[in-house]
Amino acid sequence: RKEVEQDPGPFNVPEGATVAFNCTYSNSASQSFFWYRQDCRKEPKLLMSVYSSGNEDGRFTAQLNRASQYISLLIRDSKLSDSATYLCVVNGAGGFKTIFGAGTRLFVKA
Amino acid sequence: DAGVIQSPRHEVTEMGQEVTLRCKPISGHDYLFWYRQTMMRGLELLIYFNNNVPIDDSGMPEDRFSAKMPNASFSTLKIQPSEPRDSAVYFCASTKNEKLFFGSGTQLSVL
Repeated sequence: RKEVEQDPGPFNVPEGATVAFNCTYSNSASQSFFWYRQDCRKEPKLLMSVYSSGNEDGRFTAQLNRASQYISLLIRDSKLSDSATYLCVVNGAGGFKTIFGAGTRLFVKA
Repeated sequence: DAGVIQSPRHEVTEMGQEVTLRCKPISGHDYLFWYRQTMMRGLELLIYFNNNVPIDDSGMPEDRFSAKMPNASFSTLKIQPSEPRDSAVYFCASTKNEKLFFGSGTQLSVL
C-alpha cells in the first residue's frame, strides 16, 4: 500500500464549480500535512498547510481527519487558472520525511 | 531572494555515462531533499539531509545513485553508470520549517 494515496483524476469542471479532492495516508504517526500545486512542466509549490481544526485560504479549504487518516481540499468558484495537479503531502513522525501523493489533475474549462 | 538553484536544466547522456546533478539550497535552510518525478511513479523521495548530514537514503534506488552535501550551500546527486530507466525530472528542495521550496528541476534523458 502506498504511504499517500490520491484519486489521480482528471477532474474536468466548468468555471465557477466547486470541486473536492481527497487523500489518505497510511502512517498514523504522521505529524504535518500540506497541499501543493504543480503546473505542467513546473516545480511543485506550496498551496496551503492542513490543520486539525480545518483551515481556509480564500476559495480554498483544507480539512484533516486524523481518526480516518484522511485529508481533503475544497476549491470553490473554480477559475481557469486553478487548472493544475494538486499534490497531497504528509510529513512522517519526526517531521521531515516528506512524502508526496501521486497528485490529482484538475482541468477547469470556460 | 534567490530560490533553490539547480543545474543543469536539461541533461542528455548515453547509457553507461556518469551524470552529476547540482543543487544550491536557499540560504538559511537546514534541510535539503532530492526527489525524482516520473509519470508512472510520481514524486519519489530519494534522500534528505539535515545540516549537511544524510538522514534517510532509503529511497535511493540502488548503488548507482549517490548524494553528497559537502557544505550548507551545495549538494550533488550522482548516477554512475546511468541507465535509460533513470530518465526523469530530478528536483531538489530545501526548507527550515517543513514547507518545501523546490528548484526548477533537471530533466534527465538517458539514451
